[in-house]
Parts: sequence; structure tokens; C-alpha cells
Amino acid sequence: GIQVEQSPPDLILQEGANSTLRCNFSDSVNNLQWFHQNPWGQLINLFYIPSGTKQNGRLSATTVATERYSLLYISSSQTTDSGVYFCAVGGRGAQKLVFGQGTRLTINP
Amino acid sequence: NAGVTQTPKFQVLKTGQSMTLQCAQDMNHNSMYWYRQDPGMGLRLIYYSASEGTTDKGEVPNGYNVSRLNKREFSLRLESAAPSQTSVYFCASSRGGGETQYFGPGTRLLVL
Repeated sequence: GIQVEQSPPDLILQEGANSTLRCNFSDSVNNLQWFHQNPWGQLINLFYIPSGTKQNGRLSATTVATERYSLLYISSSQTTDSGVYFCAVGGRGAQKLVFGQGTRLTINP
Repeated sequence: NAGVTQTPKFQVLKTGQSMTLQCAQDMNHNSMYWYRQDPGMGLRLIYYSASEGTTDKGEVPNGYNVSRLNKREFSLRLESAAPSQTSVYFCASSRGGGETQYFGPGTRLLVL
């Protein structure tokens, strides 16, 4: 099955800094989603991005499907950005998502 | 709209007891999913239902059963709980397979 690897596993930054989170996957995908799990455990969908680039406020994501990676950019970090960011992928026609291990982001004031 | 709701929020069981986790969505989605999340790990798919009347195994189905009661509701049953099933359980739904998934708040289960 598809393997998903996220890096870095942990990231500690000061408020106002920018960050880049990476997701590598081992096979062709037609479904890639980024999620944020806040410190209270709630999972929020950030992007559905099997290819191309999308932006939503201070967050943006780019997926280069041919090279099997996706990047999540967070600019001007705020303490509320803290939590775990998950990348999840699905193959062609697949119902299932395979999740990476996540990147734990800590934004200090 | 409430989105995806789960009950209970927290449960403690003794080994061998049974229980059912409930999930409901009000977004008229066709597909529903059950995941478990263990400490420091990503989510792993237990079972999913592509549409009303169908269910399929995910990555870690052993020890669980599911029922897609109707389009809105998808329940997860532990027939004989084991300590290895201590976890946080998330339900999710999507309009169809391969589309954006929306998650419920989770159920924390502790099996003693």
C-alpha cells in the first residue's frame, strides 16, 4: 500500500515565523488532504489538493504529483496554529485515506 | 448544521465488556469512516461505508464490527473490549469516495 512520510516530526517556532511542512508519498495519488489537529483533538480539513496550489489566508499548499510530494506553508505563525498537521493520501479510485505520522508544530509567543 | 457528531465523548470499559460508538452526520454525505488514533501516531482506518447499505474493512478491522444504519448514521461496535483497543476513535464523512473528509470530535475509550 501507499506509504506516507511527513517531515519534520517536530517544529518549534516563535510567533511571526514562517514554516514549511513536507509530505512524501510512495505511489500515484488522486486524493491528498491536509488536516490540522488542534490541542483539543479536533481535526480540521485544511486543503483538498491532489495537485496544484491552493491558498487560504496565511496557509497555502502545493502538491507536485509527478514527484510525489506536497508542501504546506504557514506564514506569520500565530499561537493558534499550534497542533499536529497531518497529510493523508488516497490512490486512484480508493475510498481509503492513508495518514502520515504528522508534524507537531509549536508556536511560542 | 452540526456536521459530524459522536457519542459518547468518553468511556471507560473493563476487559470483555461490549459497547457501541455512535456517529451521525447531517451533510447528506454518502461515505462514512471510522478511524482510531493511538498516542503519537496518525489515524488508521478501521471500517468504512462507501454508501448506505455497504461496509468494508480498513487497515485495522479485527475486534470491531460496524453498521450503516441509514444514510446519516454509522456505528462501531466492540463485542469484547481489550486493553489494546484503548484509543481515540474518530468518525468522518465525505460526499463520496476520494473527496474531502469531515471529522467528528472523537470518542476517548479506555479499556482496563
